[in-house]
Amino acid sequence: GNSVTQMEGPVTLSEEAFLTINCTYTATGYPSLFWYVQYPGEGLQLLLKATKADDKGSNKGFEATYRKETTSFHLEKGSVQVSDSAVYFCALSRGNNRLAFGKGNQVVVIP
Amino acid sequence: NAGVTQTPKFRVLKTGQSMTLLCAQDMNHEYMYWYRQDPGMGLRLIHYSVGEGTTAKGEVPDGYNVSRLKKQNFLLGLESAAPSQTSVYFCASSLSAGRGPNTEAFFGQGTRLTVV
Repeated sequence: GNSVTQMEGPVTLSEEAFLTINCTYTATGYPSLFWYVQYPGEGLQLLLKATKADDKGSNKGFEATYRKETTSFHLEKGSVQVSDSAVYFCALSRGNNRLAFGKGNQVVVIP
Repeated sequence: NAGVTQTPKFRVLKTGQSMTLLCAQDMNHEYMYWYRQDPGMGLRLIHYSVGEGTTAKGEVPDGYNVSRLKKQNFLLGLESAAPSQTSVYFCASSLSAGRGPNTEAFFGQGTRLTVV
């Protein structure tokens, strides 16, 4: 079935470092792809999205490109800040009216 | 600009008690969802609705019931709470679903439920 796989484990990095969080998907057809962010004690917020192959979603310095050939939607940011510390979820929108989420990655940015 | 509002934010229940979680959205969205979030498990879909008067089961529906009597509200009920239902519950809504634009979900702030 349609599903999303995120890289295992938390990510700890220093301020101004480069961030990559891997996301791969399995799907029939062409799903829409999303990255959501969850700050401590809050609900999920949409960070960026892409609705078709080769689209690049971007927001707040984060980017992700919808790669059909590698079934991937990796999240990147060139220079992280302490305020980027959060949990990041990759998700896809399936044809049966439901979103499928990855398990999430805790990102901790150290000053 | 309220978006998706969940009540209550926190609740402690004793095993066997019942309660209802309320979700309200003011964006005129057709689709609404209830998820639970547990450590290491990500978000799991409990039930969802594709429009007023409709409900459907998600991945983990056992022990929960839902109702969508009005388009803007989606209620999640626990008839007899169990410790395994200790979790953070999120409601979400979306304008559309499936593929294409407007399928992103908007989330509430969550309800932290503890069953003792």
